[in-house]
Amino acid sequence: DAGVIQSPRHEVTEMGQEVTLRCKPISGHDYLFWYRQTMMRGLELLIYFNNNVPIDDSGMPEDRFSAKMPNASFSTLKIQPSEPRDSAVYFCASTWGGGRNGYTFGSGTRLTVV
Amino acid sequence: AQSVTQLDSQVPVFEEAPVELRCNYSSSVSVYLFWYVQYPNQGLQLLLKYLSGSTLVKGINGFEAEFNKSQTSFHLRKPSVHISDTAEYFCAVTLMNRDDKIIFGKGTRLHILP
Repeated sequence: DAGVIQSPRHEVTEMGQEVTLRCKPISGHDYLFWYRQTMMRGLELLIYFNNNVPIDDSGMPEDRFSAKMPNASFSTLKIQPSEPRDSAVYFCASTWGGGRNGYTFGSGTRLTVV
Repeated sequence: AQSVTQLDSQVPVFEEAPVELRCNYSSSVSVYLFWYVQYPNQGLQLLLKYLSGSTLVKGINGFEAEFNKSQTSFHLRKPSVHISDTAEYFCAVTLMNRDDKIIFGKGTRLHILP
């Protein structure tokens, strides 16, 4: 398996633009997580899905952020409109059966909003 | 709710010296415990995990951790570090009875000195 695949690896956008981050989880995994990592705040859980259904979105910072999982092999995290404070590395992770099995993380998307 | 405290934000250690990275957790119910490693510009990788059984857990790259229930600790150790161990290390916890969501500590950056 190729692991968790995220795209793009790097994204530079202007303030006010829409940004879409993409994630393909490992085949067979039933949980998918979106995290944001910054120097100031560390690793923050934004939202997670089980069997394509959002379970907990309490970490989504504000209405500008939205996430979808239309099927078991694809998820998106969208920021509209983007702001400079959204600059961070965004990670997607997946697992099967629950956290006891550990998460597999993607390589991340480094987002810079100028 | 469960929480994780990593007592050191940075740990410098000479190459071939031993190292211990400290982690304490707080939870009113039984937990599963994890250590993850993040190499520069990469996602997090699972180093080792404690689910049950022997309190001494061995992981990849020569690392091990010991679960101490009375002290609510899960410290990570390696008898001899190499320059390639330079990375950030995250302790993490999830509840046994609701283990979908893993809570991560703020991380400890390990600096290997030549």
